[in-house]
Amino acid sequence: KQEVTQIPAALSVPEGENLVLNCSFTDSAIYNLQWFRQDPGKGLTSLLLIQSSQREQTSGRLNASLDKSSGRSTLYIAASQPGDSATYLCAVRGRGSTLGRLYFGRGTQLTVWP
Amino acid sequence: GAVVSQHPSWVICKSGTSVKIECRSLDFQATTMFWYRQFPKQSLMLMATSNEGSKATYEQGVEKDKFLINHASLTLSTLTVTSAHPEDSSFYICSVKGGAENTEAFFGQGTRLTVV
Repeated sequence: KQEVTQIPAALSVPEGENLVLNCSFTDSAIYNLQWFRQDPGKGLTSLLLIQSSQREQTSGRLNASLDKSSGRSTLYIAASQPGDSATYLCAVRGRGSTLGRLYFGRGTQLTVWP
Repeated sequence: GAVVSQHPSWVICKSGTSVKIECRSLDFQATTMFWYRQFPKQSLMLMATSNEGSKATYEQGVEKDKFLINHASLTLSTLTVTSAHPEDSSFYICSVKGGAENTEAFFGQGTRLTVV
């Protein structure tokens, strides 16, 4: 069974720092990996989608990498801002899984203070 | 990306009553929708996979008679929590994905259910 782990569970940093959030998964047979942002009491906003054949994706200040063979992904946030404060979730879509379900990590709760 | 609308965004109900949550795909015909549940400080856990025109597929440990799922059209899936109990209080969220396995997943805004 696929298991997704995110480290750290929580992170508190001053504004302007560059951040790295980590995600690992146990089964490398995946279709893709997706990073989401979740604000308190809200739904999920998709940030980046990396296909299994890709190594990285970039969107603005966000860069996500994928090393499928080692079961790892990192989300890099450059020049963090207070508005980046949220919980960041990593999810993988496994091959051969039931109708393409997603497996989620528990998330990294990020706080960026001014 | 796809726009997914979930309603209501929050609901408070009495123990023993039933609550229906709607998930609509506004600009995309979704043959498959997923229902997740999230307890505080926990990750999202898949409850069931909803297939248009057929019975839902439930994850192990999820009572299909308690969590009724109906996916009558390509744009609407509903989750009904029957005879709700306080332990059913949680954040319920639906998701749609494209037809191909490698496509992006999009989520509704979620429903906060509180059973008193």
